[in-house]
Amino acid sequence: QKEVEQDPGPLSVPEGAIVSLNCTYSNSAFQYFMWYRQYSRKGPELLMYTYSSGNKEDGRFTAQVDKSSKYISLFIRDSQPSDSATYLCAMSGGTLSGGSYIPTFGRGTSLIVHP
Amino acid sequence: NAGVTQTPKFQVLKTGQSMTLQCAQDMNHNSMYWYRQDPGMGLRLIYYSASEGTTDKGEVPNGYNVSRLNKREFSLRLESAAPSQTSVYFCASSALETQYFGPGTRLLVL
Repeated sequence: QKEVEQDPGPLSVPEGAIVSLNCTYSNSAFQYFMWYRQYSRKGPELLMYTYSSGNKEDGRFTAQVDKSSKYISLFIRDSQPSDSATYLCAMSGGTLSGGSYIPTFGRGTSLIVHP
Repeated sequence: NAGVTQTPKFQVLKTGQSMTLQCAQDMNHNSMYWYRQDPGMGLRLIYYSASEGTTDKGEVPNGYNVSRLNKREFSLRLESAAPSQTSVYFCASSALETQYFGPGTRLLVL
């Protein structure tokens, strides 16, 4: 079992839908949770960053962490065609390895929002 | 403020050829990383560096070497390219847990 599991999709939704993207993990030491968005043929860009459990909202995006269930979610409200991308979750225990933080990434979920 | 830059954007090599992928960041980050991304495999860490002069192996280091030239620059070298190294390579930098990625280098080894 991989440390971080993420359904690759694709997930296809109509414009305006509420999108839910999810990751599960097995390492209870993870405390820092990130979501990255990657457009086709581009590098990943940081979208949301949360520490420990709870919710964090930024515009149309809400990140949710449930440490008791080892489950994180990214919700996108009023989805737009411009949200079509691959979304990668990442998480870290906050400990240094060789002086650096090494996050564990999910494999990404491909989202398609059609007009 | 360019963030993380990578050169070249695209490269075709023949098996056995060598090349160096360049990466630079202007965010004054201490840590830098090299990843490869393949379909269905996600991001896999090749090497990382916590500071100038230090480098550590990641998940898939075989066939690669790295140099942390200074705080800004971190290069990845393929000494003898193999078709299995056909991939998209991303450089990233970080100050803490969050990473900032470059635009990537698409490498094709024939």
